Amino acid sequence: AQTVTQSQPEMSVQEAETVTLSCTYDTSESDYYLFWYKQPPSRQMILVIRQEAYKQQNATENRFSVNFQKAAKSFSLKISDSQLGDAAMYFCAYSPNYGGATNKLIFGTGTLLAVQP
Amino acid sequence: AAGVIQSPRHLIKEKRETATLKCYPIPRHDTVYWYQQGPGQDPQFLISFYEKMQSDKGSIPDRFSAQQFSDYHSELNMSSLELGDSALYFCASSIDRGYYEQYFGPGTRLTVT
Repeated sequence: AQTVTQSQPEMSVQEAETVTLSCTYDTSESDYYLFWYKQPPSRQMILVIRQEAYKQQNATENRFSVNFQKAAKSFSLKISDSQLGDAAMYFCAYSPNYGGATNKLIFGTGTLLAVQP
Repeated sequence: AAGVIQSPRHLIKEKRETATLKCYPIPRHDTVYWYQQGPGQDPQFLISFYEKMQSDKGSIPDRFSAQQFSDYHSELNMSSLELGDSALYFCASSIDRGYYEQYFGPGTRLTVT
């Protein structure tokens, strides 16, 4: 069975500092996607960043970047220059790539990030 | 840009009643997913549809059913509601562009009393 583990239930960071959220996953598949979703107090699920397993290059989206270690099955999210608006629950998610657009997401339990002014 | 639309946004039902949640995917998206997020929990996959056919099924109770219509909107029907069904229900949509991403709607908050 495929599982996603986030071992940090809560994290805190000072405004303008950098924080790294951890995620590990377990799968026997070789082709899959990994995602980080942000869920602010509004409860909207917002896609932060996507990583294809076959790509060795780590994905980057503005202040957000990932460290993807396929052999270690690790997928951490780094948030640089943290802003108050980054405060939210962050979910790591895995999706097998069976082809087409029919791939369900398997979520971790989330990390609640607080940003201190 | 158009987003996923869910209705209603809030719904209050009593035990043993029936509820219907609706989802309108982003235009041209051909796949719809339903997720359930209980209080303090991560979203759990319920069911998905691709081109109006059920494509995958997760931990969806037998009391729930869903379908995708010809205009690609989807409905989640929930019968004999229980207190434990109180949750946030998300619909997400996607399209295969050689990669894919799921875009989530704002969710329907269901409260069963």
